[in-house]
Amino acid sequence: DAGITQSPRYKITETGRQVTLMCHQTWSHSYMFWYRQDLGHGLRLIYYSAAADITDKGEVPDGYVVSRSKTENFPLTLESATRSQTSVYFCASGPESLDGYTFGSGTRLTVV
Amino acid sequence: KQEVTQIPAALSVPEGENLVLNCSFTDSAIYNLQWFRQDPGKGLTSLLLIQSSQREQTSGRLNASLDKSSGRSTLYIAASQPGDSATYLCAVPSYGGSQGNLIFGKGTKLSVKP
Repeated sequence: DAGITQSPRYKITETGRQVTLMCHQTWSHSYMFWYRQDLGHGLRLIYYSAAADITDKGEVPDGYVVSRSKTENFPLTLESATRSQTSVYFCASGPESLDGYTFGSGTRLTVV
Repeated sequence: KQEVTQIPAALSVPEGENLVLNCSFTDSAIYNLQWFRQDPGKGLTSLLLIQSSQREQTSGRLNASLDKSSGRSTLYIAASQPGDSATYLCAVPSYGGSQGNLIFGKGTKLSVKP
């Protein structure tokens, strides 16, 4: 099915654990993004990628790592989870023309 | 640095009313503007995309307008229904810096009462 898929939908993890959130898109979009959404802050960009093997930091990158070895995948890793990383994480993709972005359904992460 | 503002932050209307949501942006040099809808606990659904060369876009009961020179966009919802209750977000892609990153407003939370 065409679209953008995030997994898992829900995740509970302990402080200090490594967690990876997955994102897969079938549009062959050049751009991919990771946002976190928190009450009072809205959507904030964590990392983005303009193409395979090209990634860059967004507004709130500390504590996160990304990779993009294939155009369609853009995993986000929390190297050592902290309670402040409890949030809803959204992956998005967009074409090089910047015309129209698609968002995944989100991953609700709780760090205890 | 592009900033996007949405007013009002929340809006409550009775069913059947026509309503307008506002979005303003500080840098008028935009590629396009996109309106999204977000239901509680859900992801973002794209509603309308307006290119910088367009003045408006329509989809069913939704009409979005764009005035680049004044840095404004409006989303008009006709004959509102309880199912329209959601948070509405507008966003523009940035260029320079985080190229392509969508700059979002904080949204307008709409509640349509039966």
